[in-house]
Amino acid sequence: QVQLQESGPGLVKPSETLSLTCTVSGGSMWNYYWNWIRQSPGKGLEWIGYVYRGGTTNYSPSFRSRVTISVDTSKNQFSLKMASVTAADTAVYYCARKGTTPATWFDPWGQGTLVTVSS
Amino acid sequence: EIVMTQSPGTLSVSPGESATLSCRASQSASINLAWYQQKRGQAPRLLIYGASTRATGVPARFSGSGSGTEFTLTISSLQSEDFAVYYCHQYNNWPDTFGQGTKLEVK
Repeated sequence: QVQLQESGPGLVKPSETLSLTCTVSGGSMWNYYWNWIRQSPGKGLEWIGYVYRGGTTNYSPSFRSRVTISVDTSKNQFSLKMASVTAADTAVYYCARKGTTPATWFDPWGQGTLVTVSS
Repeated sequence: EIVMTQSPGTLSVSPGESATLSCRASQSASINLAWYQQKRGQAPRLLIYGASTRATGVPARFSGSGSGTEFTLTISSLQSEDFAVYYCHQYNNWPDTFGQGTKLEVK
């Protein structure tokens, strides 16, 4: 059974870069789409983007200008970097898997990690 | 992008009764629609995909229906563990979008 676990700093200063890692256990990363999603009281659930296989990525237009998602299949991990954060980026960040095409649902999800942007 | 609108925002129902949650898409999502349940402090959990297919381990009291722009999640004979927030998610059009959620609370 595949499990996902987010890790990274819980506090980031404004204008700095948010960096999170998702570790995948219990299954192969190959052939699936690996996603980042965030949830905040103001915006609800927002899909940020995904990475696939050798590094193919797709980002939401809302985040494209300042987000990078990468994958390290040798470590069974994928990562999110979000630049120039502001208080509006304070949210719970989830990693989640999609199926073998992008037009699928999210399952499973990591437990989520709260990131607060504050000086 | 497709805007997903859920109604009502909050639904108060007594245990043992049924609940009907609605999700409307601003344009057709075909049957590429999923429902998730989220309890306080937890990640969303997949309940339904393909508008009507229950995910593994999901009790039969959960059922989904609809296509195009109108979707419904019905929960029959509500159990105490069913009181949570429910989200719909369309994956038919890029980018994926979610509804704002319906909170199902005990009446």
